[in-house]
Amino acid sequence: EVQLVESGGGLVQPGRSMKLSCAASGFTFSNYGMAWVRQAPTKGLEWVATISYDGSSTYYRDSVKGRFTISRDNAKSTLYLQMNSLRSEDTATYYCTRGSYGGYDYWGQGVMVTVSS
Amino acid sequence: DIVLTQAPLSVSVTPGESASISCRSSKSLLSSKGITSLYWYLQRPGKSPQLLIYQMSNLASGVPDRFSSSGSETDFTLKISKVETEDVGVYYCGHRLEYPLTFGSGTKLEIK
Repeated sequence: EVQLVESGGGLVQPGRSMKLSCAASGFTFSNYGMAWVRQAPTKGLEWVATISYDGSSTYYRDSVKGRFTISRDNAKSTLYLQMNSLRSEDTATYYCTRGSYGGYDYWGQGVMVTVSS
Repeated sequence: DIVLTQAPLSVSVTPGESASISCRSSKSLLSSKGITSLYWYLQRPGKSPQLLIYQMSNLASGVPDRFSSSGSETDFTLKISKVETEDVGVYYCGHRLEYPLTFGSGTKLEIK
């Protein structure tokens, strides 16, 4: 059974850093590109970043470029999102999701990040 | 950035009836490989999104065939036949044609 389990969220002050993790199981992690998608409270879905299956290519939305870093450890089947210089507008539930030929087909349960003083 | 415009904002449906949701793209979603890069997701209340349809018209694994999708290069329709109470939630269209990936603003389906 495919499982994606996010962790590392919580309350953080503006300007500080936080690192999210997504532990994957039930599939060969190193064969799939992965992504982070977020959802601000009562808002819609917003793509954040994507990483290729081997980590060689990464893509970011403009508003997080230079502040967020997506990475992966294929030996540990884990996806990461390092978030620096956090802003109030980064407050959201962050989902990790698996990118397959047929779309983003599995999603984690999400982890809440609240940026507030 | 590609803008995906969904309509209606919300729809209220009697169980057993059909519902349709529209998604219009600001740019053709037909890729150079001949794939139409349009996806539909359902987010049930309090849950994570789940993939319903990939590449415009293909049913994702485990999704009942009451769901179907069709369209052109820029205009798409998700149809739900014989709506059931479990279909309640917010439906999003999204694309994977290019970065940044974007989603529509969502259509909320409620049961009458």
